[in-house]
Amino acid sequence: GAGVSQSPSNKVTEKGKDVELRCDPISGHTALYWYRQSLGQGLEFLIYFQGNSAPDKSGLPSDRFSAERTGGSVSTLTIQRTQQEDSAVYLCASSQQGGEKLFFGSGTQLSVL
Amino acid sequence: GDSVTQMEGPVTLSEEAFLTINCTYTATGYPSLFWYVQYPGEGLQLLLKATKADDKGSNKGFEATYRKETTSFHLEKGSVQVSDSAVYFCALITNRDDKIIFGKGTRLHILP
Repeated sequence: GAGVSQSPSNKVTEKGKDVELRCDPISGHTALYWYRQSLGQGLEFLIYFQGNSAPDKSGLPSDRFSAERTGGSVSTLTIQRTQQEDSAVYLCASSQQGGEKLFFGSGTQLSVL
Repeated sequence: GDSVTQMEGPVTLSEEAFLTINCTYTATGYPSLFWYVQYPGEGLQLLLKATKADDKGSNKGFEATYRKETTSFHLEKGSVQVSDSAVYFCALITNRDDKIIFGKGTRLHILP
C-alpha cells in the first residue's frame, strides 16, 4: 500500500484478555517503530525494529507487552492480560533506514473495560 | 537518558498572531531535531527538521533553529491561521541509535 496500515482501527476488550495489534509498514522500509499515545502523556516509545538486528525493546512497559516482525515486514504487537491502564492509541511508524522521516499509521484505539 | 521537554498546552491564539512553542532537549552526542504535527483526525507527519547546530528547518511558514548552546529547538510562525490548529510534537534522534524520542505534544487552538 501507499502508507503504513494498522489494524484494527478500534479494539474494545475486557480486562485480562490478550490482544494483537497489526502493522503493515511501507514496502521497502527497513525500520519499524511502535509508540503509545495516551492523553496527557504524549508519544511513548515502545519498541524499534531495524532490518535483521535485534529489536530495541527498551520502551516496553512490562513483560505483558511483546512484539515481533516477520520477514522484515509486518509487525504484531501483543498485549497479554490487558489492564485498564493499557487503554491508549497504539501507533506504528516506518522509515526507509531508521531515523529521519517517519511515516505513521492512523493507529489502533485500544479500550480495556 | 535522552529526553525532550516542550511547553504544555493547550495554547490558544487569535488568527494572525505570532506563535512560539518552546522545546528543549537532553541528549548525548549530536542529535537531529524534528517537529511533527498531528492535524485533527489525521496521523502524525513530519513538519520540519534540522540535523546540526545553527541549522534552521522551515516548512509551511513554520521555522525552528537548532541552538546547541541552549539545547533548544523552538517552533515559530509569524502569523498563524485557523488551519494550523493541531498537536505539535518536538522530537530528537541521536547518532548512537535510531530511536526517535518525542515530547509530550502541545495542542494549539487558533481562533478566527
